[in-house]
Formats: sequence, C-alpha cells, structure tokens
Amino acid sequence: DGGITQSPKYLFRKEGQNVTLSCEQNLNHDAMYWYRQDPGQGLRLIYYSQIVNDFQKGDIAEGYSVSREKKESFPLTVTSAQKNPTAFYLCASTLGRGTDTQYFGPGTRLTVL
Amino acid sequence: KQEVTQIPAALSVPEGENLVLNCSFTDSAIYNLQWFRQDPGKGLTSLLLIQSSQREQTSGRLNASLDKSSGRSTLYIAASQPGDSATYLCAVPYNNNDMRFGAGTRLTVKP
Repeated sequence: DGGITQSPKYLFRKEGQNVTLSCEQNLNHDAMYWYRQDPGQGLRLIYYSQIVNDFQKGDIAEGYSVSREKKESFPLTVTSAQKNPTAFYLCASTLGRGTDTQYFGPGTRLTVL
Repeated sequence: KQEVTQIPAALSVPEGENLVLNCSFTDSAIYNLQWFRQDPGKGLTSLLLIQSSQREQTSGRLNASLDKSSGRSTLYIAASQPGDSATYLCAVPYNNNDMRFGAGTRLTVKP
C-alpha cells in the first residue's frame, strides 16, 4: 500500500533535548511538508521540500531543522531552541506543486515533560 | 495575506440530517480549494479538491461548492451518519508551496 508513515506516534521530550520525528513516503512524490497543529488552530507550515537536497522555511521554522537526503524521507528535528514544542506534528506530500492534493501521514504527538 | 475561517467551530446534529459546513477566505485569487477530514488523533484525509474554474465537486454524499468572488466554499453532507463525526478542514494554496488551513469544524452526528 502506498502512503506516508510517521514515527513515533507519541514522543516525550525533556527540556533542553533535541528530538527527531521521522516521515517516510512511498508515493514517489517530489514535495514533502511538515505542519504543526495546536488545539483549536489550523495547521501551520514549518518546512517544505520540493526536491532532494533542497528545503525552504515555512511560517514557523524557528527552533526546527530538516533534511532531505532521499526523495522518500523528510525527517524533522525539534531543537532545544523551540520554546513551546508540545503539539501534533503532521507530515504531508504532494506529487509536484503545493497546489496538488496533499496526502498526510498519521501524525506524531510531541509532549515536553 | 490569505486567511481562512471556518464557522461554526463545532456542530452537533441528529443522524439523517443534511448539513452545510462553511469556509471563507480573504484572497479570492485561489488556484483551488481542498476539504479534508480529520479523526481525533489522526492525520488528514483529502475529501474533495475543487479547482478555481469549478463551481461544484461531488463525491458520494459530499458536495463542495466554490464561489471565488465572495471568498466562500461550502461542504454539503447529505443524510449524515454517526461515522461522519470528525473535524472537517478546508485549505487553499498560498504562494504555490504553502497551504492555508482553517481551524476546522468539529462535527458530531448523534444516533
């Protein structure tokens, strides 16, 4: 089955730690995205990547970093610089441009202890 | 800057009722508009994508309409069922690589 997988489903972080969220897709999509979702708010874009070895900041990139070494993988690192990281993180992909239908993974819920 | 609003934030209806969810956007120069469904603690599932040149798009009991000039879209759900209970979000592309999402309408269909 084609789709997007995210791991882990739940993640707990201590103050001052960096943590990495995994996102893998086997849809052969070029573009991948990371969103953050907070209760009662719409999704906000953290980073996106249109091709391998290239990525761009979204609206709320501060305190986050990404890499795109392979077409199918787009991991997100939440650094200690992100002061309020507790949220639901969603990875998505599109065949080409951001105007195409977006396909989402199941999400990772990150909680700061 | 594109802003997307969904009203109401929550809606509760009895099973079998037809209902309409609303989405409004501030910049009418959109490429398309997408409606998504999100179950609690899950990712988003695309329901319908309606192109800017279209007025309507249908899938089963769902019908989405788009009025670009007034900056509005509606999602009509016919003969609602308890399984339709979820949060419904609309989104429009922005700057070709970003999507602006509404905060969603949380729908509860009571048996």
